[in-house]
Amino acid sequence: DIQMTQSPSSMAASVGDRVTITCRASQGLSSGLAWYQQKPGKAPKLLIYAASTLQSGVPSRFSGSGSGTDFSLTINSLQPEDFATYYCQQAYNFPLTFGAGTKVEIK
Amino acid sequence: QVQLQESGPGLVKPSETLSLTCTVSGYSISSGYYWGWIRQPPGRGLEWIGNIYADGSTRYNPSLTSRVTISVDTSKNQFSLRLNSVTAADTGLYYCARGFAYSGSYSDYWGQGTLVTVSS
Repeated sequence: DIQMTQSPSSMAASVGDRVTITCRASQGLSSGLAWYQQKPGKAPKLLIYAASTLQSGVPSRFSGSGSGTDFSLTINSLQPEDFATYYCQQAYNFPLTFGAGTKVEIK
Repeated sequence: QVQLQESGPGLVKPSETLSLTCTVSGYSISSGYYWGWIRQPPGRGLEWIGNIYADGSTRYNPSLTSRVTISVDTSKNQFSLRLNSVTAADTGLYYCARGFAYSGSYSDYWGQGTLVTVSS
């Protein structure tokens, strides 16, 4: 199985901050990576797929980059509704696997 | 508007079978995409269980493949999960989701999730 390592596991940030979360894969994924946002008691929401493609309806302050083994999710100008847990998911090979999550909390 | 809704028992005894159904509305399940199940143990991360495709083929997580079956009922616009011989380790939130392939496999619509507890 492909192991996904996310960092940091948690972080505190303020409204208006620029936030970057990273995800490293144990083997190359080409561009096969997604980012999901999960709020307490809710299902995950797809933000980014194919490493950098913004899902329809997702605000443009979210962006993804990377290829191969190293990927990142950037949130420009963090908004109150962005405080949540973010997961990366490798989409390149089966079984599909997720990172352990990054919890973004209010500073 | 595509919507998915999980249903099934919230409590299952150890060694018995967990059975869940996902009812899809706003989209015909036979029109394309694929359909899958993902679970989340309490306070933990996400684990992919498996997918079923438009041709009826399936892919399962090797860690579960001996115990899991995913099937589809196009007449009811539903798909289902069966997980045999459950233990406490199978306790968690179970999500159904619609998937698509584009340089990989992704889930764009999810159900709200249903909590399944394995306990006697």
